[in-house]
Amino acid sequence: AQRVTQPEKLLSVFKGAPVELKCNYSYSGSPELFWYVQYSRQRLQLLLRHISRESIKGFTADLNKGETSFHLKKPFAQEEDSAMYYCALSATGGGNKLTFGTGTQLKVEL
Amino acid sequence: SAVISQKPSRDICQRGTSLTIQCQVDSQVTMMFWYRQQPGQSLTLIATANQGSEATYESGFVIDKFPISRPNLTFSTLTVSNMSPEDSSIYLCSGVSTEAFFGQGTRLTVV
Repeated sequence: AQRVTQPEKLLSVFKGAPVELKCNYSYSGSPELFWYVQYSRQRLQLLLRHISRESIKGFTADLNKGETSFHLKKPFAQEEDSAMYYCALSATGGGNKLTFGTGTQLKVEL
Repeated sequence: SAVISQKPSRDICQRGTSLTIQCQVDSQVTMMFWYRQQPGQSLTLIATANQGSEATYESGFVIDKFPISRPNLTFSTLTVSNMSPEDSSIYLCSGVSTEAFFGQGTRLTVV
């Protein structure tokens, strides 16, 4: 069975500082990895997925199969980045069923 | 992208009763799922809502407790039956077209 681990429940950084939200996974096949974000009083929404290799709102994430990691990074945090971030995995042939990590609350302080 | 309207957004229910949560998508989607998020925990998949047939439940979830309907490609319901305080959670529906998207969630408190 697959598993997603986000070791930090809360990450607090100052505005303009770099951000790295950690995500590790365990899965024997080739997974698809996602980052979802939930801003205050909003619904959960997709931030980015590893296959698209995009930068969304300044965030990037690279799938490292050797380290089984998919860390989310942003070079300069903004106040509007404060939110709950979830890493999620979809197994091969999983039909888009997602296994979520426990989430990391990012707080960007002025 | 598609939008899911989920209702109710919250409810407080007496133990032993049942609550039905509805999700309406503004366009047809191939897949719909139901998740639960217990306090302080991650989202856990309850079941896949199959159009026109019985839902497919994940380990630990059973149809008698969480009956699900999906009569067409835009609508699904989840019922939480014979509720106990342990059922207090946020329940989320999800649809999939090119990516997974979510309803606003239903915050259920059982007293």
